Amino acid sequence: GNSVTQMEGPVTLSEEAFLTINCTYTATGYPSLFWYVQYPGEGLQLLLKATKADDKGSNKGFEATYRKETTSFHLEKGSVQVSDSAVYFCAPQSSSNYKLTFGKGTLLTVNP
Amino acid sequence: EAGVTQSPTHLIKTRGQQATLRCSPISGHTSVYWYQQALGLGLQFLLWYDEGEERNRGNFPPRFSGRQFPNYSSELNVNALELEDSALYLCASSWASRNTEAFFGQGTRLTVV
Repeated sequence: GNSVTQMEGPVTLSEEAFLTINCTYTATGYPSLFWYVQYPGEGLQLLLKATKADDKGSNKGFEATYRKETTSFHLEKGSVQVSDSAVYFCAPQSSSNYKLTFGKGTLLTVNP
Repeated sequence: EAGVTQSPTHLIKTRGQQATLRCSPISGHTSVYWYQQALGLGLQFLLWYDEGEERNRGNFPPRFSGRQFPNYSSELNVNALELEDSALYLCASSWASRNTEAFFGQGTRLTVV
């Protein structure tokens, strides 16, 4: 089955700093790739997704590019805000049975 | 459109008891996933149901079980509760097809005392 390795947290940044959260995966076939975000006290919600090689998913200033050659889907944002403080999860979706596999999550704290 | 709903929101049980958690998926979704999120840990995959069948099971003991009903709602049962079962239990639903996201409920906070 699929597996995912996500950058260990916690990550602490100052407002307007550049963010990268690394994510690499192993999968058979051609998975779709997702990033989910969990704000404090809430459930998970989809942040962005990419469904084929070289696709770039983007939302709320966050971006991630599907890199098939390096099996990676790193999350980036050019200028983080305090409101971005949350836990971020990388999740490949199997192309054979559609099961989502989640990484352990990366806690991001942005200080003013 | 209603999202994924979970009940109860909070549940307090004593060690050795049984807990039953419920999940109603978004209308039209056939797949339901269950995850455990213990304090300080990521999401641990518990169970995946689709079309009423258990499709996959995570690395949890048999006292964690569940089922999916004909209307696609789902139940998670935890028998012989242990203190370390205290966690947030999240349910997610999706269509069982490629490129579709999963939608999560707000979770059930289970506390075992």
